[in-house]
Amino acid sequence: AQKVTQAQTEISVVEKEDVTLDCVYETRDTTYYLFWYKQPPSGELVFLIRRNSFDEQNEISGRYSWNFQKSTSSFNFTITASQVVDSAVYFCAQDGNQFYFGTGTSLTVIP
Amino acid sequence: DAGVTQSPTHLIKTRGQQVTLRCSPISGHKSVSWYQQVLGQGPQFIFQYYEKEERGRGNFPDRFSARQFPNYSSELNVNALLLGDSALYLCASSLGILADTQYFGPGTRLTVL
Repeated sequence: AQKVTQAQTEISVVEKEDVTLDCVYETRDTTYYLFWYKQPPSGELVFLIRRNSFDEQNEISGRYSWNFQKSTSSFNFTITASQVVDSAVYFCAQDGNQFYFGTGTSLTVIP
Repeated sequence: DAGVTQSPTHLIKTRGQQVTLRCSPISGHKSVSWYQQVLGQGPQFIFQYYEKEERGRGNFPDRFSARQFPNYSSELNVNALLLGDSALYLCASSLGILADTQYFGPGTRLTVL
């Protein structure tokens, strides 16, 4: 069965620092999709990125970047020059016969 | 365009009661999925409905049921409520299968006393 592990429960950084959120997944599927979502204090999950298993190119969107490595089954998320508005819980997720979320990493950016 | 909407926002029930939660997907989306998020945990998949048929089910008891209507809106029903059912219930819509990007609504906060 699929499984998503986010080993970092809580991270605190000072504003403008870079921070990387780790995600390790397990699957026997050859084709699969990975996702990152942000959940701010308001509670609504906000979609950040969707990546398929055939595309290992790193992706950058503004201050956000993602590093996908099939060899280590990891899909890590980096925020460059963090801001207070980045404070939220971030979830990594994977599709399968269900949709699997990790347990989330709570990021606090201190001004 | 309107996003995913859910009603009600908050709900308080007592043990043993039944509850119905509602969700309207983004226009053009034919799939609705339901999740339970207990405080401090990641969302847990309950159901996916696509074209009015159940396409996926998570590890939840039969007290949980759902349906999708011809306009693609959906209801989640929970019978014989337990204290442990207290959670944020999230609805997500997507174009089709689970591999498609899911867009989430604001959720319904259910408290069981």
